Amino acid sequence: KQEVTQIPAALSVPEGENLVLNCSFTDSAIYNLQWFRQDPGKGLTSLLLIQSSQREQTSGRLNASLDKSSGRSTLYIAASQPGDSATYLCAVVVDSSYKLIFGSGTRLLVRP
Amino acid sequence: GAGVSQSPSNKVTEKGKDVELRCDPISGHTALYWYRQSLGQGLEFLIYFQGNSAPDKSGLPSDRFSAERTGGSVSTLTIQRTQQEDSAVYLCASSQAGFNEQFFGPGTRLTVL
Repeated sequence: KQEVTQIPAALSVPEGENLVLNCSFTDSAIYNLQWFRQDPGKGLTSLLLIQSSQREQTSGRLNASLDKSSGRSTLYIAASQPGDSATYLCAVVVDSSYKLIFGSGTRLLVRP
Repeated sequence: GAGVSQSPSNKVTEKGKDVELRCDPISGHTALYWYRQSLGQGLEFLIYFQGNSAPDKSGLPSDRFSAERTGGSVSTLTIQRTQQEDSAVYLCASSQAGFNEQFFGPGTRLTVL
């Protein structure tokens, strides 16, 4: 059974710092991995989608990497801003299905 | 519309009542998913629709839960005889096909008193 873990559960950093969020999954047979952010009381906003054949994806200040063999993905946020404060979730689609299996998230606070 | 929409945004009901939650996917998206987000369980899959294929109901927690998708577009999630443990945020997502990027709606917060 696929399990997704996110470390740390919470993170507080000063504005301007570069940071890395971690995601690990137990079964390397994934089809893709998706990173989301969730603001309090809101739905999920898709940030990046990495297909299993890709190593990384970039969007603005965000860079996500994928290492299928080791079951890991990282989300790198450059020059963090208070507006980046949110919960970040990673989720995988396993080859044998299409539903997203989510980690429990990392709650990020960027202090002005 | 530009994104996935859900209604109502909030629903408060009494234990034992039936509720219906609605989802309008992004136009042209053939795949539609329902998830539930609760404090104790995190985000969990409920049901998946793809085109005219039979839905995957493997995530529905009990037979009190059902969903339908009419005309390959709008979907309704129905919970019969609601229980307090049904209290959660119900999220709908859609994608161009089963394995593509999923886009989520704002969710419906259900509170069962």
